[in-house]
Amino acid sequence: NAGVMQNPRHLVRRRGQEARLRCSPMKGHSHVYWYRQLPEEGLKFMVYLQKENIIDESGMPKERFSAEFPKEGPSILRIQQVVRGDSAAYFCASSPLAGDNSPLHFGNGTRLTVT
Amino acid sequence: GESVGLHLPTLSVQEGDNSIINCAYSNSASDYFIWYKQESGKGPQFIIDIRSNMDKRQGQRVTVLLNKTVKHLSLQIAATQPGDSAVYFCAENINFGNEKLTFGTGTRLTIIP
Repeated sequence: NAGVMQNPRHLVRRRGQEARLRCSPMKGHSHVYWYRQLPEEGLKFMVYLQKENIIDESGMPKERFSAEFPKEGPSILRIQQVVRGDSAAYFCASSPLAGDNSPLHFGNGTRLTVT
Repeated sequence: GESVGLHLPTLSVQEGDNSIINCAYSNSASDYFIWYKQESGKGPQFIIDIRSNMDKRQGQRVTVLLNKTVKHLSLQIAATQPGDSAVYFCAENINFGNEKLTFGTGTRLTIIP
């Protein structure tokens, strides 16, 4: 029973390049959440998606960041023209249903380093 | 350059002793709370949860207490072991209809052998 799978585990990008982070939810889960974590801080909500729909993107920066969860395949968090401030750990979580108060299950994250 | 962030509160406990980690949450409308454990290089791992209609819930070696009057949550870990060393986060769900969570700052627990 595989958990939430994220890849790559580590990603290094130069300033101005694009970063693509992938998340495959747990089997049977159709809701995906993306969080960002800076060193020594808690996780900050970015975006909540269901298949083919963005439900809540209130935590996403207005520019350069986008997310999708297509009908087939993993969820993708895309960061265009990366800057050093984008360096962080990005975590994905999934849940089977909405609003049933079930705990989110997290992947082990992608650590993005912008040089 | 080196990034500067908040330093996590820390708690050091002798192996075998009990530990209590505290958390103040922000929204009186929150109805679901979770404690997560995060080890270095890993994602948050679910420990225990509690709904707002309860004030105490017990698991294996862990107990969560909820005081809605003062918006306070605590995690008690009994008979601590070296493997309990990690950062512990409380999280609250403040959006009815989805599992969007707001995380606390976190506490770094170190178990002294």
